[in-house]
Amino acid sequence: ETGVTQTPRHLVMGMTNKKSLKCEQHLGHNAMYWYKQSAKKPLELMFVYSLEERVENNSVPSRFSPECPNSSHLFLHLHTLQPEDSALYLCASSQDLASGSFEQFFGPGTRLTVL
Amino acid sequence: AQSVTQLGSHVSVSEGALVLLRCNYSSSVPPYLFWYVQYPNQGLQLLLKYTSAATLVKGINGFEAEFKKSETSFHLTKPSAHMSDAAEYFCAVRANTGGFKTIFGAGTRLFVKA
Repeated sequence: ETGVTQTPRHLVMGMTNKKSLKCEQHLGHNAMYWYKQSAKKPLELMFVYSLEERVENNSVPSRFSPECPNSSHLFLHLHTLQPEDSALYLCASSQDLASGSFEQFFGPGTRLTVL
Repeated sequence: AQSVTQLGSHVSVSEGALVLLRCNYSSSVPPYLFWYVQYPNQGLQLLLKYTSAATLVKGINGFEAEFKKSETSFHLTKPSAHMSDAAEYFCAVRANTGGFKTIFGAGTRLFVKA
């Protein structure tokens, strides 16, 4: 595998379910991100991790719980979601947070539908 | 505070015609600027970036963008559109004074007509 991978690619869940999204980067990067992409809205930054430490929680509801066990893996644990949480969830990584010139590398996303 | 405005949520061009996607930014300090492309069912992919070296930046797939400080613009161009260029394009800005937030524009969907 190369680049940034995400599993599953599609997920349908009920409002009472608990599920997790997984992201893995094979680039040796130190920073990882979760974004939410909804139709007709700009990309929303949710969480940022640097060397497994969370550095940003962008006013995200507690029903979204991130986990970064090491610099290559990032999870987003989901529970009691709402229909408005249906969106494409994108994971990204970058070399680190030291320079803003480092671009982000994105995974293909998980298309989440909450019924 | 930084912001990005992409003029036109949809742009349609004929195959072989010039592509021009507009991006204006607002930043109190010189920023880093990026253009990303998103094909259907995929994540975003970097096309090019401006990091205060040359003001004319060349990217992949024949795209280029010019940083114009006086106009606070970073428009994306390609001389001749291909059908494969049909996708959504995002302009993004990030401060060069530290911090890690990249602010993305709302995106412009490019349609290419045969």
